[in-house]
Amino acid sequence: QVQLEESGPGLVKPSETLSLTCTVSGASVNIDDYYWAWIRQPPGKGLEWIAYVHFGGSPNYNPSLKGRLATSVDASRNQFSLNLTTVTAADTAIYYCARGKIAATSRGWFDPWGQGTLVTVSS
Amino acid sequence: QSALTQPASVSGSPGQSITISCTGPSLDVTAYNFVSWYQQYPGKAPKLVIFDVSRRPSGVSNRFSGSKSGDSASLTISGLQTEDEADYYCCAYRSSGTLVVFGGGTKVTVL
Repeated sequence: QVQLEESGPGLVKPSETLSLTCTVSGASVNIDDYYWAWIRQPPGKGLEWIAYVHFGGSPNYNPSLKGRLATSVDASRNQFSLNLTTVTAADTAIYYCARGKIAATSRGWFDPWGQGTLVTVSS
Repeated sequence: QSALTQPASVSGSPGQSITISCTGPSLDVTAYNFVSWYQQYPGKAPKLVIFDVSRRPSGVSNRFSGSKSGDSASLTISGLQTEDEADYYCCAYRSSGTLVVFGGGTKVTVL
């Protein structure tokens, strides 16, 4: 059974960098058919895709956040990470990591998801 | 504003069927069938209930079904049960630009 768990600070100051890590168990992050994703949800609002990362390829970012994003995959720790720079209150959200699928005949879905971690941007 | 439009709320009585629509230009790509649906209970992570328009993950009730026509996708829940009361989000994969877009979500209420 594949499980994901987000970790990182729950409070970040404005203009600083938000850093999160997702630890994967039950599967290896260096697997061809799957990508690893970050998705966020502001409190009481809908879902927003942030990024796809893959151990062997270039990441794909949401253009609305591009320029502020950096991601990485650490196969030795079976983890992947997200850095979001110059945060503002608008970046306050529950951040989820998830396994994603991108294949010729099946793509764009996420399963499973981590339980999510609330990150608040405030001084 | 979401790239995909869903009704804010849908309700039904136990045993009835309800359909949640999801519309937007992102879906009007007839060569691709990459629409997924997620169920989310309050305070919980979303759960995949439909992928690739109409495929059901293992373990998801066959009361959930999906379809797509033109620039509109739909999730139907048949034999509505109290446990189906949750928020539901549609999601589409696009070939360029913002690769993944979500709908704004639909709150399902079981009367």
